[in-house]
Amino acid sequence: AQKVTQAQTEISVVEKEDVTLDCVYETRDTTYYLFWYKQPPSGELVFLIRRNSFDEQNEISGRYSWNFQKSTSSFNFTITASQVVDSAVYFCALSESRDDKIIFGKGTRLHILP
Amino acid sequence: GAVVSQHPSRVICKSGTSVKIECRSLDFQATTMFWYRQFPKQSLMLMATSNEGSKATYEQGVEKDKFLINHASLTLSTLTVTSAHPEDSSFYICSARDWGTGGQPQHFGDGTRLSIL
Repeated sequence: AQKVTQAQTEISVVEKEDVTLDCVYETRDTTYYLFWYKQPPSGELVFLIRRNSFDEQNEISGRYSWNFQKSTSSFNFTITASQVVDSAVYFCALSESRDDKIIFGKGTRLHILP
Repeated sequence: GAVVSQHPSRVICKSGTSVKIECRSLDFQATTMFWYRQFPKQSLMLMATSNEGSKATYEQGVEKDKFLINHASLTLSTLTVTSAHPEDSSFYICSARDWGTGGQPQHFGDGTRLSIL
């Protein structure tokens, strides 16, 4: 069965600090997708990244970076030089190729303090 | 880019009322749409998979007679919460798969906040 674990329920950091959000997943499929979404207080889901299981390259997009390690089934997300606008709930998610259902982790609530 | 429109964004109604939520793919055809529910400070939980022209597939524990799903066209799926009660108050969000892009990533609507008094 597929499962996504975000062990950090809530994190608070001071603005400009770097912060890493952890994500560990479980799946029996060899083909799958991993995602990160941001959910600001307004509620909508903002798509941040998708990574397929065959692409272990790390990715950087501005202040955001992602570290995908199949050996440890982890897909961690780092925000460098955090800003107050980064405050939100961040969800890691998994989708197996066989049915495309997206299974979400429980989310990490990130507070960036001014 | 691909857009999914969800309507209404917010609804408040009395207990016992049935509420219909629409999910539309605006610039692509979506043979499959998904409905999620999110209780306050919790994660999104998949309720059902909506397939155009066929019956929806419900996740374990979701009452199909209470949450009616209709996917009558390639751009519209509706979720009707029948005889809603306060415990049905939640944030409902849909997503749609665009096969033109290989189905990934799914595109999410902005959600519907349902409050039952």
